[in-house]
Amino acid sequence: QSALTQPASVSGSPGQSITISCSGTDSDIGDYNYVSWYRQHAGKVPELLIYDVTARPSGVSLRFSGSKSGNTASLTISGLLPEDEAEYYCTSYTVTTTAVLFGGGTKLTVL
Amino acid sequence: QERLIQSGAEVKKPGASVKVSCKAFEYTLTNNYVHWVRQVPGQGLEWVGWINPNSGGTNYARRFQGRVTMTRDTSTNTAYLELSRLTADDTALYYCARDGSGYSLLGWYFDLWGRGTLVTVSS
Repeated sequence: QSALTQPASVSGSPGQSITISCSGTDSDIGDYNYVSWYRQHAGKVPELLIYDVTARPSGVSLRFSGSKSGNTASLTISGLLPEDEAEYYCTSYTVTTTAVLFGGGTKLTVL
Repeated sequence: QERLIQSGAEVKKPGASVKVSCKAFEYTLTNNYVHWVRQVPGQGLEWVGWINPNSGGTNYARRFQGRVTMTRDTSTNTAYLELSRLTADDTALYYCARDGSGYSLLGWYFDLWGRGTLVTVSS
């Protein structure tokens, strides 16, 4: 069981928007803004999409945005493209063990 | 172009140790923390720990404490992960990843990844 909870799968059609949730606790997402999101295409290295809840590294498409409410963080992908089909992971710092927690991953299917 | 180059695949017997290297190119290793993340084939990502290449300080995930050692060699711009008392459950792809904060601060996110080193534990 992963420390952060993500839906196992989500799907959407090209051009649509989807949101992936990532649920934690007061000891991680709820109290700290060290939330990041990664995309991993099959057989490839993970890529950073979002850090510090909402910040986007240079070169990452504006279609990716992050947010947080209470103990839940979210990644929204707008204008879905076929190449968005991948596994998405959230992470958060946790004060409980001064460690990084990963979500279990969400498989995004672009129909 | 900044990159992290990891050592090649390893096959080890249960009970053995493995040491994986991660060499930084086009940036100075000591400017950023280095994290290690592993991925069992077909499964999700798991954080192993970090090393501060500047001071040598480390912080390991609880489930690896006592079995993991992270070190660095600043003269060669290389970080190392050593895992001992291997079992079949340690069969995984081990990634090194740079902390994105820089200035020897912890940002708790990973902006540059190595390609991973596959460690297979089998008798």
